[in-house]
Amino acid sequence: AQTVTQSQPEMSVQEAETVTLSCTYDTSESDYYLFWYKQPPSRQMILVIRQEAYKQQNATENRFSVNFQKAAKSFSLKISDSQLGDAAMYFCAYRKSNRDDKIIFGKGTRLHILP
Amino acid sequence: GAVVSQHPSWVICKSGTSVKIECRSLDFQATTMFWYRQFPKQSLMLMATSNEGSKATYEQGVEKDKFLINHASLTLSTLTVTSAHPEDSSFYICSARIMNTEAFFGQGTRLTVV
Repeated sequence: AQTVTQSQPEMSVQEAETVTLSCTYDTSESDYYLFWYKQPPSRQMILVIRQEAYKQQNATENRFSVNFQKAAKSFSLKISDSQLGDAAMYFCAYRKSNRDDKIIFGKGTRLHILP
Repeated sequence: GAVVSQHPSWVICKSGTSVKIECRSLDFQATTMFWYRQFPKQSLMLMATSNEGSKATYEQGVEKDKFLINHASLTLSTLTVTSAHPEDSSFYICSARIMNTEAFFGQGTRLTVV
């Protein structure tokens, strides 16, 4: 069965600094998707970034980038120039490429931004 | 991105009654909808997957007779918590997907059973 592990329950970073959130996963599939979702205090799930496993290039969205290491089954999220609005719960997630397949979430990392 | 609307945002009901939560995809037709439950400070736990016009597929340990899911159209899925008890109090989140794209999430429903 697929699993997603986030080993950092909480992290803190100074405003304007860079922080990296870790995620590892386990799967026997060769084709799949990986995601980072943000859940702010409003509890609305927001997609931050998405990576297709067949793509070697790391995904980037503005201040957010990932380090995708397929062989190591590692998918970390780097947030550059951290802002107060980045404070939230961050979930790493996995989905097989099948049509109707579900998303499996890690336990999450709570990120605090220190002013 | 696509918009998924969940209603109500919060609801309080008496123990023993049933409550229905709606999940609508507002600007797209969802091939699949998912229902999650989230306990405080925990991750999202998938309860069931539903496809329009067919029976929902429940995850292991989820009581299908307690959590009734109906996916009558490509834009609407409902979750009915039957004979609710205080232990059913939780945050319920739906998400909807168009084939081969990422899922979009509703804003969630906080259910409190008193």
